[in-house]
Amino acid sequence: DADVTQTPRNRITKTGKRIMLECSQTKGHDRMYWYRQDPGLGLQLIYYSFDVKDINKGEISDGYSVSRQAQAKFSLSLESAIPNQTALYFCATSDSQTRGETQYFGPGTRLLVL
Amino acid sequence: GDSVTQMEGPVTLSEEAFLTINCTYTATGYPSLFWYVQYPGEGLQLLLKATKADDKGSNKGFEATYRKETTSFHLEKGSVQVSDSAVYFCALSEGAAGNKLTFGGGTRVLVKP
Repeated sequence: DADVTQTPRNRITKTGKRIMLECSQTKGHDRMYWYRQDPGLGLQLIYYSFDVKDINKGEISDGYSVSRQAQAKFSLSLESAIPNQTALYFCATSDSQTRGETQYFGPGTRLLVL
Repeated sequence: GDSVTQMEGPVTLSEEAFLTINCTYTATGYPSLFWYVQYPGEGLQLLLKATKADDKGSNKGFEATYRKETTSFHLEKGSVQVSDSAVYFCALSEGAAGNKLTFGGGTRVLVKP
């Protein structure tokens, strides 16, 4: 079984709709992240959480919100989706106890906003 | 702020050719450096990493050396295979920034038989 899972894997929605992307992990890591990937731009950090009570904005947080429901779960919401939020979204986790900590990525959610 | 610059692709090679992907970085402190690989339809996975100057990371025939004097972390493989076709991302993580990753734009590599 995958250590980091994302649901749904693909989603098509309309402008103005609220949607939620979910991420779960079984690695026991304390840190979780949400990124978006656009062609040619690498990955950009949306939000990150160092523990359940610690949520921080990343580079491109406008139009997004998150919820860390438990150590193992981190959800990303688009309150009112717009077409330029069409992208590939990745969740990642890491263990703060490791120097040069590696981030482990989920398989991604492909979102299309019409 | 921190930044990572890597060569643009796509890079097209024949099987058994030598691969180099250049990566340079800008950071205020002493970052850890990473190469991640993304195979078609999949998420990113760690290929190799180095946490201090002059360290060499290696995995699956790939190597990269942390060069502080040139702020570089170039990825190399001596003989590529078709299965190496993927997008490769250079990234850095700086402790002072809470170990968040800063990514380069990615380099697509296509290996032809």
